[in-house]
Amino acid sequence: DAKTTQPNSMESNEEEPVHLPCNHSTISGTDYIHWYRQLPSQGPEYVIHGLTSNVNNRMASLAIAEDRKSSTLILHRATLRDAAVYYCIRVGYGNKLVFGAGTILRVKS
Amino acid sequence: SAVISQKPSRDICQRGTSLTIQCQVDSQVTMMFWYRQQPGQSLTLIATANQGSEATYESGFVIDKFPISRPNLTFSTLTVSNMSPEDSSIYLCSASRGEGHGYTFGSGTRLTVV
Repeated sequence: DAKTTQPNSMESNEEEPVHLPCNHSTISGTDYIHWYRQLPSQGPEYVIHGLTSNVNNRMASLAIAEDRKSSTLILHRATLRDAAVYYCIRVGYGNKLVFGAGTILRVKS
Repeated sequence: SAVISQKPSRDICQRGTSLTIQCQVDSQVTMMFWYRQQPGQSLTLIATANQGSEATYESGFVIDKFPISRPNLTFSTLTVSNMSPEDSSIYLCSASRGEGHGYTFGSGTRLTVV
């Protein structure tokens, strides 16, 4: 039970920002929100993670709602290389990553 | 972040045999995990590899079928025992330095059982 809800797929135009939503309405106070992506024929790749505050790194930004029941992964300028399956995962007790179905992101040139 | 070397990258095995997959991390990590990914599907967690003690298996996975070793903080192995064609899949290992850290994944082992 991944305990997060994501859209099955999304589409974006190249060079435009992408906002990938994730719902985690039953999140516990100590659960982290992690995002990973998986390109075709590769293992998952870490993107970003956070607890309460918004987070930025060179790959993306993570915006966490004030009540922590949802979050949004922001890719500031999508490129064709960003086409992948994006997974939003709650990490809590036991520190296990349990994957859901994820969101397939398609990027159009 | 940690870098993982996983081998073999692929193998074709006869049914009834066993295959051991190795996962080497370039630095000490607190946690290591093993996953299976069927074609076109998401990842399924097999077990948590515990250093110095028996692995913790998820529902549907048992030690006799998937024995796991973790002799130290940088290395783990997964054995797929008595293989059948249904075991054909990609197997991946993952590692993390602990709570609040990201997780790194190996590139996977593509197993085909014939």
